[in-house]
Amino acid sequence: SQTIHQWPATLVQPVGSPLSLECTVEGTSNPNLYWYRQAAGRGLQLLFYSVGIGQISSEVPQNLSASRPQDRQFILSSKKLLLSDSGFYLCAWSADSYQPQHFGDGTRLSIL
Amino acid sequence: ELKVEQNPLFLSMQEGKNYTIYCNYSTTSDRLYWYRQDPGKSLESLFVLLSNGAVKQEGRLMASLDTKARLSTLHITAAVHDLSATYFCAVVSRGGADGLTFGKGTHLIIQP
Repeated sequence: SQTIHQWPATLVQPVGSPLSLECTVEGTSNPNLYWYRQAAGRGLQLLFYSVGIGQISSEVPQNLSASRPQDRQFILSSKKLLLSDSGFYLCAWSADSYQPQHFGDGTRLSIL
Repeated sequence: ELKVEQNPLFLSMQEGKNYTIYCNYSTTSDRLYWYRQDPGKSLESLFVLLSNGAVKQEGRLMASLDTKARLSTLHITAAVHDLSATYFCAVVSRGGADGLTFGKGTHLIIQP
């Protein structure tokens, strides 16, 4: 069966520090991969999605970036975090466009 | 721009009662999803609705889709406390990117 792993589960970072969140999927190949953020007052928002290695689409302009160095690995990064980057970051995968997206356990990011 | 509206956003009800959550979306879509989120947790896929008139049922929950009215409903029958959670509907615009546009969620509390 397929599983999705996100880490870390919780992260506290100072403003201006870099960020790297990792997501990996097991038990499937060539999945669609997604990063979402859930923040108070802004709901659940799609940040990036990828349909293949090296293919990244951004939905919202921001100081975040995403990369997909391997088929089942999706990384969310920032060079300098802002206070507004605080939130609950969720990685998700789907087999294709018509299948449901399955979410990881999320990373709760607090910026101080 | 695709917009998804849920109502009510907050619902407190007693065990044993029936109720319906509504999800309206603004542009043509052929894919609608319902998710459940428990406090502090990630999202769990409940239903995938892919065609007009689609109806899916799982236990005390039943979801339906009317693509002409751009409306989906999530009906709760004889509610039990374990169904307390936040429920999200999410839509992908027809021919659009695969990322989901979420409603704001319905926070459901079921009291004994």
